[in-house]
Amino acid sequence: DQQVKQNSPSLSVQEGRISILNCDYTNSMFDYFLWYKKYPAEGPTFLISISSIKDKNEDGRFTVFLNKSAKHLSLHIVPSQPGDSAVYFCAARTGANSKLTFGKGITLSVRP
Amino acid sequence: NAGVTQTPKFRVLKTGQSMTLLCAQDMNHEYMYWYRQDPGMGLRLIHYSVGEGTTAKGEVPDGYNVSRLKKQNFLLGLESAAPSQTSVYFCASGGSIETQYFGPGTRLLVL
Repeated sequence: DQQVKQNSPSLSVQEGRISILNCDYTNSMFDYFLWYKKYPAEGPTFLISISSIKDKNEDGRFTVFLNKSAKHLSLHIVPSQPGDSAVYFCAARTGANSKLTFGKGITLSVRP
Repeated sequence: NAGVTQTPKFRVLKTGQSMTLLCAQDMNHEYMYWYRQDPGMGLRLIHYSVGEGTTAKGEVPDGYNVSRLKKQNFLLGLESAAPSQTSVYFCASGGSIETQYFGPGTRLLVL
């Protein structure tokens, strides 16, 4: 049973527009959420995170929103750039010193 | 500061052969992890370590063994490779559980 779900396998957006990547989870014990970005033939790199005590975290063009009641988080990229084209993984943990559970990833393509 | 490095980058094995994947980190991290990535499956945790001399099973540990004899190294072993172990393997390390730093990956093909 997948606890972190990224139901859309791909997303295509125009350069300059907003990209919204969604992630749903089922485990109410998750208390920390992360987004990782992965380019082909490279390892994932940490992008942004959010604690369950917050509902928003912003870092430059990247903002993560958390809706605990809906068990849903989203990553907003504004404005989207061609260099943002990559696979984005949502991940979550259940407490300090626990493992990360990853979603299947979503492939973002930003069209020039 | 090289971060997390993985050796080898690519390997082809025949069914039944054995091999060891090496992961090294120079960030003095306590935690280290081995994942595999398969198409449409995301990242799945194979084994992990919370410190030198410790190892624990992850989500998909069968067919793999690990060792963490030195803090900076985490080895992943395949005793008898199977075609189902064809995958891309990523090692990661972290000073805290929140953030993990990944290596570039090892592509393994088992024929």
